[in-house]
Amino acid sequence: QQQVKQSPQSLIVQKGGISIINCAYENTAFDYFPWYQQFPGKGPALLIAIRPDVSEKKEGRFTISFNKSAKQFSLHIMDSQPGDSATYFCAAPLGGDQTGANNLFFGTGTRLTVIP
Amino acid sequence: EAQVTQNPRYLITVTGKKLTVTCSQNMNHEYMSWYRQDPGLGLRQIYYSMNVEVTDKGDVPEGYKVSRKEKRNFPLILESPSPNQTSLYFCASSWTGGTNEKLFFGSGTQLSVL
Repeated sequence: QQQVKQSPQSLIVQKGGISIINCAYENTAFDYFPWYQQFPGKGPALLIAIRPDVSEKKEGRFTISFNKSAKQFSLHIMDSQPGDSATYFCAAPLGGDQTGANNLFFGTGTRLTVIP
Repeated sequence: EAQVTQNPRYLITVTGKKLTVTCSQNMNHEYMSWYRQDPGLGLRQIYYSMNVEVTDKGDVPEGYKVSRKEKRNFPLILESPSPNQTSLYFCASSWTGGTNEKLFFGSGTQLSVL
């Protein structure tokens, strides 16, 4: 059973455009929603994260929008640049009394290509 | 430099030949975990450890073993590798508790089992 469902699988955007990646989750106990960015040949790295007490978080050109009622959160990349070309993963923690926000379920990933 | 170090970076082996992938972190993190990455399947957790001598299964633990004898090291052991364990493996670590939940990943180990 997939805990988080990510779409689309791949995305091609023109330079300067907006990239949008969506993630849906099942478990309403999730309370931390990060996005990780992975460049070829590298490990994933935390890009931006949100907690459900806010509906939006912005860091530079990257924004997370969170819709608690729909159980969805999305990543928006404004003014997309070729250097943003990477694979993006949404994630959510296993939760419960086992771990904090460290133990993560990851989505299947979205390969973003920004064309110059 | 704060980092998670995995070795080897690439490994080709044959079915049934035991192997170990090492992982070491220099940030004094309590939490460590192993993931495998496969096309279309994302990152799936194999095992994790909340601290020394404390390990637990993730989503796909079959065919793998781990140990956490020291805080900095968390090796992944494949006792009898099979071709379906061909994958890209990542080790990750982080602090536990507080507000810092960031996972630090290693650079990955590409394993091919023939």
